[in-house]
Amino acid sequence: AQSVTQPDIHITVSEGASLELRCNYSYGATPYLFWYVQSPGQGLQLLLKYFSGDTLVQGIKGFEAEFKRSQSSFNLRKPSVHWSDAAEYFCAVVARSNDYKLSFGAGTTVTVRA
Amino acid sequence: KAGVTQTPRYLIKTRGQQVTLSCSPISGHRSVSWYQQTPGQGLQFLFEYFSETQRNKGNFPGRFSGRQFSNSRSEMNVSTLELGDSALYLCASSFESTGGTGELFFGEGSRLTVL
Repeated sequence: AQSVTQPDIHITVSEGASLELRCNYSYGATPYLFWYVQSPGQGLQLLLKYFSGDTLVQGIKGFEAEFKRSQSSFNLRKPSVHWSDAAEYFCAVVARSNDYKLSFGAGTTVTVRA
Repeated sequence: KAGVTQTPRYLIKTRGQQVTLSCSPISGHRSVSWYQQTPGQGLQFLFEYFSETQRNKGNFPGRFSGRQFSNSRSEMNVSTLELGDSALYLCASSFESTGGTGELFFGEGSRLTVL
């Protein structure tokens, strides 16, 4: 079945530490890949996207993501987190095999401790 | 440039009633998508409209419907409300349809509580 999997429901990280959020997808061909962030009480904001080309993608707020075809993964990273990075993060895909609907993973909640 | 505006932000309804939610996209955007967000099911795609035509539809019952007007504003309607319809309904707009992988800009949502 086609799916987007975020294995970690909740991650706690210390301010200044690095962060990595995992995302795996299961689609026949490489879909278009996205990471969105949702702060409490807010809508979603696009952090970055991957369509093709360079497998390391830079986004806003100091985030980056790496596409690995062999692992069907698109993991999000940030070298040094700030307290304002506390939020829920969603991996999402658009795939031809899914009629180009934007499908989201279950999300990972990030808590930042001082 | 003004963002995506959703109204109302909060509303309470009782079972059996119907509700209409409104979404005003960013000026110039032609695509409007709707999503339902719940703690149990996460973010689920409802439908997408592009230039007044429904482009795509998720797996929701016919009680959920939508439309888009010539000015790109969109409404979604839920009839015969059930307790399980309690959710945050998010609207997103983009210049292109998701098939064109246009970046989505989300509103803050309409939080519906069904009692």
